[in-house]
Amino acid sequence: KNEVEQSPQNLTAQEGEFITINCSYSVGISALHWLQQHPGGGIVSLFMLSSGKKKHGRLIATINIQEKHSSLHITASHPRDSAVYICAVSSNYQLIWGAGTKLIIKP
Amino acid sequence: ETGVTQTPRHLVMGMTNKKSLKCEQHLGHNAMYWYKQSAKKPLELMFVYNFKEQTENNSVPSRFSPECPNSSHLFLHLHTLQPEDSALYLCASSQMNGNYEQYFGPGTRLTVT
Repeated sequence: KNEVEQSPQNLTAQEGEFITINCSYSVGISALHWLQQHPGGGIVSLFMLSSGKKKHGRLIATINIQEKHSSLHITASHPRDSAVYICAVSSNYQLIWGAGTKLIIKP
Repeated sequence: ETGVTQTPRHLVMGMTNKKSLKCEQHLGHNAMYWYKQSAKKPLELMFVYNFKEQTENNSVPSRFSPECPNSSHLFLHLHTLQPEDSALYLCASSQMNGNYEQYFGPGTRLTVT
């Protein structure tokens, strides 16, 4: 079992839908990261959080330290949100990566 | 546009070739990283340099040889690669190694024939 598990692995939705991607982890962490990777490879950091909730535009990230769980939400999804969303946790001075969730938003 | 650049963006090489990947960061960071991303797998950390010193080598085969001449530049020298080494190679940097946000380059898509 991987130390960082994401679900779902693949998600296809219609434009405008509310999207939730989940991340569970089994190790002690100092922070959790959500990143976005577009086709072509480049990775962009979306959030780094250690408690509570952060919001940036249509993106919201939450974390529950007790339950070792985080969610990434996208409101009013748009085709340009189509990408792979990756969860990673900082643990013992290293990053442990989830396998990613491939999101496709259809117009 | 990020502050981390990588060249080349695409590379096709034969198994007997020698090539190098280059990464440069303009963010004033002190830690730099090489990652390998194979299809349908999580990112694999290969090497970490902190203040130009290699602090991590995740059991990477010797056909991959990193070099960090200064805090802004990182190279990955490749020789006698195998077809299974074909992957996306990503460079990242952060303020220091540890619990710091990492900034990624666009990656080099490597194909070994």
